[in-house]
Amino acid sequence: GAVVSQHPSRVICKSGTSVKIECRSLDFQATTMFWYRQFPKQSLMLMATSNEGSKATYEQGVEKDKFLINHASLTLSTLTVTSAHPEDSSFYICSARDPPRGHRTDTQYFGPGTRLTVL
Amino acid sequence: DAKTTQPPSMDCAEGRAANLPCNHSTISGNEYVYWYRQIHSQGPQYIIHGLKNNETNEMASLIITEDRKSSTLILPHATLRDTAVYYCIVSPRGAAGNKLTFGGGTRVLVKP
Repeated sequence: GAVVSQHPSRVICKSGTSVKIECRSLDFQATTMFWYRQFPKQSLMLMATSNEGSKATYEQGVEKDKFLINHASLTLSTLTVTSAHPEDSSFYICSARDPPRGHRTDTQYFGPGTRLTVL
Repeated sequence: DAKTTQPPSMDCAEGRAANLPCNHSTISGNEYVYWYRQIHSQGPQYIIHGLKNNETNEMASLIITEDRKSSTLILPHATLRDTAVYYCIVSPRGAAGNKLTFGGGTRVLVKP
């Protein structure tokens, strides 16, 4: 399957600082990327949908001013957690939509995740 | 999007086939059945998806009932590395509809 990378894989920061997480599609162009968050022992929760060249669409309850998403190219989306607090500590996972090709329908591939710890 | 129901957990023996059921009784005509798995502390891994025909790839087989209200993911020869949480998700195809809503999944433990 297609490859999606995330950087960094792990980050520890102090409360009040901002953290940027990068998501890259390595072998395909992704017009749509998604950002998820997963707390311990819970399932993935979609935070926002990121479309290249336009504003992200946020899920209900997700603060767009706190979680800034930029999708400036077809292979890169970034999530910036602004003024991070301990309750933002979580596993952040991105995915990228590999569009249909021929008879193959579109499929979503996930990055390895970023573990954020806010002290 | 239609909801799915999966057993919370199941054990299976190494080397044997693992059959993972999923109910999606409210699935609509344009919704595909996707299966992903998540090994501890990693991002979900795509396994397979289908609309109404049975599908097979190098990882697994997907059997969808004729009425499309349920499906079964088959891991033909389970290994210890197949221990993971398996998610069954239904979602429409296409750019706008490809949001994936994750439920609780099935926690599969492959035992020696």
